[in-house]
Amino acid sequence: AQSVTQLGSHVSVSEGALVLLRCNYSSSVPPYLFWYVQYPNQGLQLLLKYTSAATLVKGINGFEAEFKKSETSFHLTKPSAHMSDAAEYFCAVSEKGAQKLVFGQGTRLTINP
Amino acid sequence: DGGITQSPKYLFRKEGQNVTLSCEQNLNHDAMYWYRQDPGQGLRLIYYSQIVNDFQKGDIAEGYSVSREKKESFPLTVTSAQKNPTAFYLCASSMEQYNSPLHFGNGTRLTVT
Repeated sequence: AQSVTQLGSHVSVSEGALVLLRCNYSSSVPPYLFWYVQYPNQGLQLLLKYTSAATLVKGINGFEAEFKKSETSFHLTKPSAHMSDAAEYFCAVSEKGAQKLVFGQGTRLTINP
Repeated sequence: DGGITQSPKYLFRKEGQNVTLSCEQNLNHDAMYWYRQDPGQGLRLIYYSQIVNDFQKGDIAEGYSVSREKKESFPLTVTSAQKNPTAFYLCASSMEQYNSPLHFGNGTRLTVT
């Protein structure tokens, strides 16, 4: 069965600094991987998804993630943090034949001025 | 614009009362889902439905019930049997494909006292 681990429940960076949010997955077959963002008291929005095409996936708001099979990782990065990036971020995994996504515990990103 | 509508945004109930949360989508999606979100626990799947008149239990179905009489609608009833019902509830939908992203509503925050 697939599973997801997000390392770090809270991450804090300065405005303009690199953002790195970590996600490791477990899957018995090639996975489909997603990153979602949630702003306070709202639903989740899709940032990007990996579906076995290019290993480097570009998403909205300047975010990107790289699929590394050897490390079973799908870390989310952004070169320069903006105050508006403050939110909670969720990594999720699915696989062919699965009927549902499995979400990580989430990482709350704080941006310091 | 297409999307998912959850109502109401905030809901207050007395302990021992059943309460129904509404979820409507106009995206023509086959699959619909209910998640519960608690601080520090990520999203946990309550129920999901891939087709009208059919639904499956998720990871935490006890104390909840659903129906899927129309493609557009997937209401969730929180019964008095749910021991800890206070939470943020999210409804989502997707095309019936394992690599399709979820589209989320803006959630209903239920408080039971």
